[in-house]
Parts: sequence; C-alpha cells; structure tokens
Amino acid sequence: DTEVTQTPKHLVMGMTNKKSLKCEQHMGHRAMYWYKQKAKKPPELMFVYSYEKLSINESVPSRFSPECPNSSLLNLHLHALQPEDSALYLCASSQALMAGSYEQYFGPGTRLTVT
Amino acid sequence: GENVEQHPSTLSVQEGDSAVIKCTYSDSASNYFPWYKQELGKGPQLIIDIRSNVGEKKDQRIAVTLNKTAKHFSLHITETQPEDSAVYFCAAEGGGADGLTFGKGTHLIIQP
Repeated sequence: DTEVTQTPKHLVMGMTNKKSLKCEQHMGHRAMYWYKQKAKKPPELMFVYSYEKLSINESVPSRFSPECPNSSLLNLHLHALQPEDSALYLCASSQALMAGSYEQYFGPGTRLTVT
Repeated sequence: GENVEQHPSTLSVQEGDSAVIKCTYSDSASNYFPWYKQELGKGPQLIIDIRSNVGEKKDQRIAVTLNKTAKHFSLHITETQPEDSAVYFCAAEGGGADGLTFGKGTHLIIQP
C-alpha cells in the first residue's frame, strides 16, 4: 500500500483565519514533505521532515508553520494567508531522506482558497 | 541548485501511437529521476523511475531512458490509450538529498 491521505480535500479561509492541513501515512516512511502547486505549474517544495525533525525549509513565509507530531502525521498550520497563497497543497512521503534512494509518494492534495 | 527542462509542454497523439517526453537536468550529481502522472484534481502518481546506474527501464507500455553523459532522460509510452491523457512531470533529485526538482510538465492528449 502506497497511500498518503490528506484532509480536508477543500478549504476556503479568510485572510484573518487560522486553519490546519493534515497528512497521514502508514507505510513506515520517515521522510515527509509539503509541496505547493499552482494551476498549470509543477509542485514546489516547501518543507521536508526527516525522522520528525525539520530538515529543509525552502524560505517559506512564516505564515506557513509545519509540524510533525509523530512519524505518521504531518501538519501545516496556516495563519494570515494572502490570496496568492491559494493553491493545491500536496503532502508526500518516502522511506527516508537520502539522495536518489527512495521513491516519493504523493497524497491527493488539499485545494486551498484564500478569500 | 538543480534545474530541469521538459519538452514539449503539450503533446497530442492518436490513440495507439507512441508518445515521447524529454527532460534535461543540470546537476551532474543527480542520481534519481522519477516520472509522475497527474490527472485533473488528483495528486501526482509515480509511474516509473530510473537511477543513474541504469540506462533503461521498462514497465509494460511505459519505458524510461537515461543518458548521464548528456544529462538527458525520456519517457516513452507505447500503444497510447485514452486513459493516458494527463499531465506528466519529470523530476530529478540532486546529490544533496534536497528533494525533487520538477520539470514544467507535459499535457498529453490522446486523440480517439
């Protein structure tokens, strides 16, 4: 089973709201990723967690706050977003974080609209 | 950092014909090259991948080739079917374990 689940599927939020996106995998993977994808564009890496520790932050604004409570869960906390943050947010996981060694599997994404 | 170029941006082929999508990468230390298929409203699905110690890999109707010297890799789909219509992304993983860098995508259209 290579399933990564994400909730919610759709989210509409105002610029003053606080919300969270959730991601879960039960494949025993120890690396988890957040990507942002705008329409007709490729996914862009935001954050990488390796063994529940933040390994990569691609200069993402602080209004996005990731959290990895345990090896199966990954959250993305959202606060004071801008309309240009509207996008598909994708979670992915891989067995570990090692260059060229492990396949990444993506979830279905959360479609976020900021009004 | 890594830079991945992908061509063409749109590809239209007749059902039953073959489709080829090409990518180039810039970081000679990259050693992992996956291909993803993304259907409308869904997340990317890993369909095939290749590592730098292999020149070609095949899985039923799809195959990937890698030329490390030219820093070039390609996706080949034979006997195309309507369900192959989607956006296809190539990607490369740099030598520094810094995640995947994606190409801009190819919208593959299978004409009945």
